[in-house]
Amino acid sequence: DQQVKQNSPSLSVQEGRISILNCDYTNSMFDYFLWYKKYPAEGPTFLISISSIKDKNEDGRFTVFLNKSAKHLSLHIVPSQPGDSAVYFCAAGLQGAQKLVFGQGTRLTINP
Amino acid sequence: ETGVTQSPTHLIKTRGQQVTLRCSSQSGHNTVSWYQQALGQGPQFIFQYYREEENGRGNFPPRFSGLQFPNYSSELNVNALELDDSALYLCASSQPGYNEQFFGPGTRLTVL
Repeated sequence: DQQVKQNSPSLSVQEGRISILNCDYTNSMFDYFLWYKKYPAEGPTFLISISSIKDKNEDGRFTVFLNKSAKHLSLHIVPSQPGDSAVYFCAAGLQGAQKLVFGQGTRLTINP
Repeated sequence: ETGVTQSPTHLIKTRGQQVTLRCSSQSGHNTVSWYQQALGQGPQFIFQYYREEENGRGNFPPRFSGLQFPNYSSELNVNALELDDSALYLCASSQPGYNEQFFGPGTRLTVL
């Protein structure tokens, strides 16, 4: 039972353009969502989060959008830079619960 | 501020053996969670420790056990290793009241 899904295993974007990574979830009880970036041989690095009471959160080049009715969130990176090439995971959780539920990840490649 | 550290980096064991993985939480964080990441998958929650007690567990058998010490560091123990236990084991620390979890670099376990 995959409660959090990232349906695109990979994405290739030109440097300077917008990268859009997508994530869908099935459990309507999730009330906060996070995005992590992972380089090879490193642990996931926290990027940005959003509470279910919001529909947008922005931090520099990174913006997360949440559409609760569609159970969908997306991460926008503008402008994309070569250092953004990594695997991106979305994760979801419940306030007061312990675990994060992760998607399978999307490998983003930024081309010069 | 010291981030989450894990040891060892890599480990090779044979089926049936036992293994102990270690984690030191980020300064100021008193909650530690453990995740298993199989190749090509997102991290899966094993369990969480808070105040030296298990505080939530994922769908893992009892041969996966843990400890948390007064300094908030933690151990993950796996008994009777199976081939499918080969994975990256990630430790994450967090503060009470905050949703974000911060990950260490992981321990790569190979079971032969």
